[in-house]
Amino acid sequence: DVVLTQSPATLSVTPGERISLSCRASESVDTYLHWYQQKPNESPRLLIKYASQSISGIPSRFSGSGSGTDFTLSINGVELEDLSIYYCQQGNSLLTFGSGTKLEIK
Amino acid sequence: EVQLVESGGGLVQPGRSMKLSCAASGFTFSNYGMAWVRQAPTKGLEWVATISYDGSSTYYRDSVKGRFTISRDNAKSTLYLQMNSLRSEDTATYYCTRARGRGYFDYWGQGVMVTVSS
Repeated sequence: DVVLTQSPATLSVTPGERISLSCRASESVDTYLHWYQQKPNESPRLLIKYASQSISGIPSRFSGSGSGTDFTLSINGVELEDLSIYYCQQGNSLLTFGSGTKLEIK
Repeated sequence: EVQLVESGGGLVQPGRSMKLSCAASGFTFSNYGMAWVRQAPTKGLEWVATISYDGSSTYYRDSVKGRFTISRDNAKSTLYLQMNSLRSEDTATYYCTRARGRGYFDYWGQGVMVTVSS
């Protein structure tokens, strides 16, 4: 199975900062890499599909990049409501998720 | 508006069975693949099973193969997960999701909790 390693595990940020979250795959997944946000006590929601494609209804401050084994989710101007855990997920082979990055607001 | 509403969870003893249901609305159910994703308490997300739009193809993670069965009734717009020989490690919130393209999930239900314990 493809292992997805997310870093950092936890990130403390100041509102307004631009941040980047990393997801590294144990083998190439091409661009079949997707990102989700899970707010406390809520279901996950899709943020980015196919590494960099935006999703209708998702704020434009969220963007994704990468291909192969290295991927990045960027938030340009973090807001208080972005307090969440962010998961990457690959769809190139049997589906797997990363362990998540928890975003904390300072 | 797309809605996915799970039901059927609860407390079950190890080795017993349980069947989850997911009622879908707001889209043409028979046009889309569907999947179950679970999340153990305080843990991350784990894909469980996927079924094609017409039910002809199913896929499972190794740890549930032979124990879980995903199925659907397109006439009722309902997805199912039959879980047999349940183990403590199956304890989780189970999410019904709509599966798209190369394996991403664009809509999620609110989740249903399954607790396997004696």
